[in-house]
Amino acid sequence: KQEVTQIPAALSVPEGENLVLNCSFTDSAIYNLQWFRQDPGKGLTSLLLIQSSQREQTSGRLNASLDKSSGRSTLYIAASQPGDSATYLCAAGGSSASKIIFGSGTRLSIRP
Amino acid sequence: DTGVSQNPRHKITKRGQNVTFRCDPISEHNRLYWYRQTLGQGPEFLTYFQNEAQLEKSRLLSDRFSAERPKGSFSTLEIQRTEQGDSAMYLCASSLYRGQGRGEAFFGQGTRLTVV
Repeated sequence: KQEVTQIPAALSVPEGENLVLNCSFTDSAIYNLQWFRQDPGKGLTSLLLIQSSQREQTSGRLNASLDKSSGRSTLYIAASQPGDSATYLCAAGGSSASKIIFGSGTRLSIRP
Repeated sequence: DTGVSQNPRHKITKRGQNVTFRCDPISEHNRLYWYRQTLGQGPEFLTYFQNEAQLEKSRLLSDRFSAERPKGSFSTLEIQRTEQGDSAMYLCASSLYRGQGRGEAFFGQGTRLTVV
């Protein structure tokens, strides 16, 4: 059974800092891992999708890495801005490629 | 393509009433998922469809919950005899499955249910 954990649950950093959000999963037989952003009271916005054959994906100031052997993924945010404040969720699927399992998220606050 | 659309956005209902939510996926997507999210938690899987077939249901989905996807297009999620514990955000997502792993999932804005 896939379990996804995100640490820390909350993070506050000053504007301009580079930061890393962590995600770990128990079942390494995943097809892909996806990172989402969620603003308060809103739905989820897809940020990056990493296929199991890939090691990382980049989009603008965001870089996500995947290490299946250790069951870990990281989301790197460069030069953080107040507009980056949101909850970041990672989601991993099992080998059945069906449902995806979410972590509880990291609530990020960027201080101006 | 306007993305995944969910209606209504908000629903307040009295305990014991039935409610129905609708999800319109991205048009070419063959997979559709329903999730439930409570405050401070990640989304919890409820069920998913491939085309019109419901392929998996979570044990969280009690007998009061039913989901359909007639003709493999839009989907409805019905909750009968609502309870206060059903209060949550109900999220719908869709993806394109081509036989090798799940494609990128796109979520709607959700329906927030409040049971009073």
